[in-house]
Amino acid sequence: KQEVTQIPAALSVPEGENLVLNCSFTDSAIYNLQWFRQDPGKGLTSLLLIQSSQREQTSGRLNASLDKSSGRSTLYIAASQPGDSATYLCAVWNSGYALNFGKGTSLLVTP
Amino acid sequence: DVKVTQSSRYLVKRTGEKVFLECVQDMDHENMFWYRQDPGLGLRLIYFSYDVKMKEKGDIPEGYSVSREKKERFSLILESASTNQTSMYLCASSANSWGRNTEAFFGQGTRLTVV
Repeated sequence: KQEVTQIPAALSVPEGENLVLNCSFTDSAIYNLQWFRQDPGKGLTSLLLIQSSQREQTSGRLNASLDKSSGRSTLYIAASQPGDSATYLCAVWNSGYALNFGKGTSLLVTP
Repeated sequence: DVKVTQSSRYLVKRTGEKVFLECVQDMDHENMFWYRQDPGLGLRLIYFSYDVKMKEKGDIPEGYSVSREKKERFSLILESASTNQTSMYLCASSANSWGRNTEAFFGQGTRLTVV
């Protein structure tokens, strides 16, 4: 069974810093990998989807990379802002029909 | 924009009640999913459906059932609610392209409390 791990579990940074969130998975036979953001008490917002044939995707200040062979993905956030404070979740699609999630990284960006 | 709408943001139900959680998506997606989210346990898959009237058990289906009579609607049913089903319930949908799932979109969540 696919296991998805996110490190660190929590992170606090001052505003303006660049930061990296990590995601690792045990089964490299993935179809896609998706990064989400979740604000407290809310649903998940899709940030980026990386197809298995891609190495990275970018959206604004966010850049996600994928290395299937090593079972790793990173989410890079440039010039962090207090509004980036949220929980970030990594999830992978395998040959089944549902996403397998990590437990998330809780990010706090302080002014 | 893709929209996945869950019928309630908050629900309070009594132990033993039959509870219906409704989810509707407006993008003609083939696949729909129900997850529950609990502190320390993350998101766990309850059931999913890849077509009308089709359903597959996820990791924790006990105590739940689902219904998908129309493509846009996926209902989660708690047959007899218990306090250990107090949780955040999240519905999601995705398209199926060449046998692979595309981007998943989630609803706003339903916070269910069973007393």
